[in-house]
Amino acid sequence: DAGVIQSPRHEVTEMGQEVTLRCKPISGHNSLFWYRQTMMRGLELLIYFNNNVPIDDSGMPEDRFSAKMPNASFSTLKIQPSEPRDSAVYFCASSPPGQGSYEQYFGPGTRLTVT
Amino acid sequence: KQEVTQIPAALSVPEGENLVLNCSFTDSAIYNLQWFRQDPGKGLTSLLLIQSSQREQTSGRLNASLDKSSGRSTLYIAASQPGDSATYLCAVGMGNTPLVFGKGTRLSVIA
Repeated sequence: DAGVIQSPRHEVTEMGQEVTLRCKPISGHNSLFWYRQTMMRGLELLIYFNNNVPIDDSGMPEDRFSAKMPNASFSTLKIQPSEPRDSAVYFCASSPPGQGSYEQYFGPGTRLTVT
Repeated sequence: KQEVTQIPAALSVPEGENLVLNCSFTDSAIYNLQWFRQDPGKGLTSLLLIQSSQREQTSGRLNASLDKSSGRSTLYIAASQPGDSATYLCAVGMGNTPLVFGKGTRLSVIA
C-alpha cells in the first residue's frame, strides 16, 4: 500500500493567491482528517470527513478555507485568498472503518509558505 | 474539552541512557492513544498505538504504557541512540474522531 499521498509536498505562493492542497487516503479507509501544524499551536484539526461527508469543520480558521471530498479516494483543502499567517505544514490522515483500532495514518504533509 | 500535555518539552541525554517521556490528558474517556515520531521537516511516523483496554504496548526498544484512570501515558526508550533524536508526539483518540495532540517532546541523544 502506498500510504496516504499528499501533493504538493512544498508550496510557495504570494499573499492573495489561491492554494489547493490534495490528499489521497489509503484505499478502504473511510475517514479522512486535515490537520495543520505550526510552531506556536502544534498540530490542530481543521476538518474531518466520514464516508465523504464533512463531520466537523470547527477547526477551519475562517471562510478563506474550504475542503471537499468528492469521492472516497480524493480530498482537497483550498485557501483563497492566502495570507502569510497560513504558512504551516498541512497533514492529511486517514483511518479504516468498523470497530477496529481507529489508528490514523498520516501523509508526508504539505509545507506551505505564503510570502 | 480534551487537553494533552507532554513533559518535558525538550530533553537531552547521553547515548545509551534509558529515558521516559510523559504524556497526560484531561478526559479519561479515551478510545486509544498513539505515540508518533517526527523528524525535523518530516511527517509523522506512528510508533505505538494503545487501546483503552490495554496497559502497554512494546516495539523493539520502545515501550508505551497507559493508565487511563489517572490520565497518563509514558513512552520508555531503552538504550537510547543518536538516531532516536526527534520530536515525540502523544495523541489521544475518542473513537473514530480527530486526534488531540500534545505539543511534543524534542529529544536529543548525544553520542
